[in-house]
Amino acid sequence: AQSVSQHNHHVILSEAASLELGCNYSYGGTVNLFWYVQYPGQHLQLLLKYFSGDPLVKGIKGFEAEFIKSKFSFNLRKPSVQWSDTAEYFCAVNAKGTSYGKLTFGQGTILTVHP
Amino acid sequence: EPEVTQTPSHQVTQMGQEVILRCVPISNHLYFYWYRQILGQKVEFLVSFYNNEISEKSEIFDDQFSVERPDGSNFTLKIRSTKLEDSAMYFCASSEIFWGPEAFFGQGTRLTVV
Repeated sequence: AQSVSQHNHHVILSEAASLELGCNYSYGGTVNLFWYVQYPGQHLQLLLKYFSGDPLVKGIKGFEAEFIKSKFSFNLRKPSVQWSDTAEYFCAVNAKGTSYGKLTFGQGTILTVHP
Repeated sequence: EPEVTQTPSHQVTQMGQEVILRCVPISNHLYFYWYRQILGQKVEFLVSFYNNEISEKSEIFDDQFSVERPDGSNFTLKIRSTKLEDSAMYFCASSEIFWGPEAFFGQGTRLTVV
């Protein structure tokens, strides 16, 4: 069975700081990888996804993530955060070829950005 | 932009009562899911549903739980006899394809069992 670990429970930054949120997964096979964001009071929204190809993927709102297969990692980055990026971020994994769209989530990282 | 909608947003129920959580997936999606998040814990997969039957379920999804697509638009999760530990945020999601799914989530129903 797959598992996902997010290293930071709560990250606090000032506006314009750079962001990197760690995500590692455990699974022996091929995976699809996702980052979701949940703004206060809203639903989970897809930030970006990796299925195959270029391991550096770009998502909405200036976010990007890099899949490093050898490290089983899919870290989320943004060069300059804004106050509006305050939200909870979830990394998720889907095991290709074995489960019917089932996502396994990390525990989430709360990002607080101070103006 | 099409979205998944869930009702109610908050449900309070007494222990032992049955609850039905409702979801309207995106209209052209074929795969439907329920997840839950107990306060302070991870979002956990409960069940996936395709072609009017369960595709996969987790060990959480025991005999107290059932899902149904009663008509062409709704997707429901029923908890037959609620327990205190069923208190959680329940998320419905839908996707168009499942090999490399992009799941769209509803805003959640917060279930409180008292």
